Amino acid sequence: SQQGEEDPQALSIQEGENATMNCSYKTSINNLQWYRQNSGRGLVHLILIRSNEREKHSGRLRVTLDTSKKSSSLLITASRAADTASYFCATVNTGGFKTIFGAGTRLFVKA
Amino acid sequence: DAGVIQSPRHEVTEMGQEVTLRCKPISGHDYLFWYRQTMMRGLELLIYFNNNVPIDDSGMPEDRFSAKMPNASFSTLKIQPSEPRDSAVYFCASSHRDSVLLSNQPQHFGDGTRLSIL
Repeated sequence: SQQGEEDPQALSIQEGENATMNCSYKTSINNLQWYRQNSGRGLVHLILIRSNEREKHSGRLRVTLDTSKKSSSLLITASRAADTASYFCATVNTGGFKTIFGAGTRLFVKA
Repeated sequence: DAGVIQSPRHEVTEMGQEVTLRCKPISGHDYLFWYRQTMMRGLELLIYFNNNVPIDDSGMPEDRFSAKMPNASFSTLKIQPSEPRDSAVYFCASSHRDSVLLSNQPQHFGDGTRLSIL
């Protein structure tokens, strides 16, 4: 089964609102990454958070990591129609190089 | 800088035919990954290479699937014979090792090959 599980599976919001997506995983990790996929395109890396970090920011993105709960969240602030895409969390296990992707959250931002 | 390049972008063929998907990773990257994406199963890792050597092929579904990396700038994923259930989008990605993380860096994906087996 997939290491990372995103929640919700789909999210529809109005432009300007914030979007929060959650990810849970099962085993110890080296780092956790978030990716974005536009329709018909490959995944694009957004942000990486190491296992010893708790929060990270990049522009309108904020990622948190709680290793005790084995969970992470991605917050997109002031969303735009162009943020419409699928968002995936991905984990790399401690000592490993395999990246395991979750099932993704489909975000739709209405203009 | 050119990203990961995959070809063809689309492939439609009849079941039983051999299919070959191609990938050119980013220059300097020493890890290469092949993934398959479907609505039902999401994004599945099929196999990955490090310095052209297959490291983990546990995700390869059957013996009908094979992957090679003859040099640092080229990899192929072959399906022979193909079946309708192989229809999916196949992605190639590459990355390099991060000496601080002791892990591979974030992956760079190609735009995929959309494969349809009739």
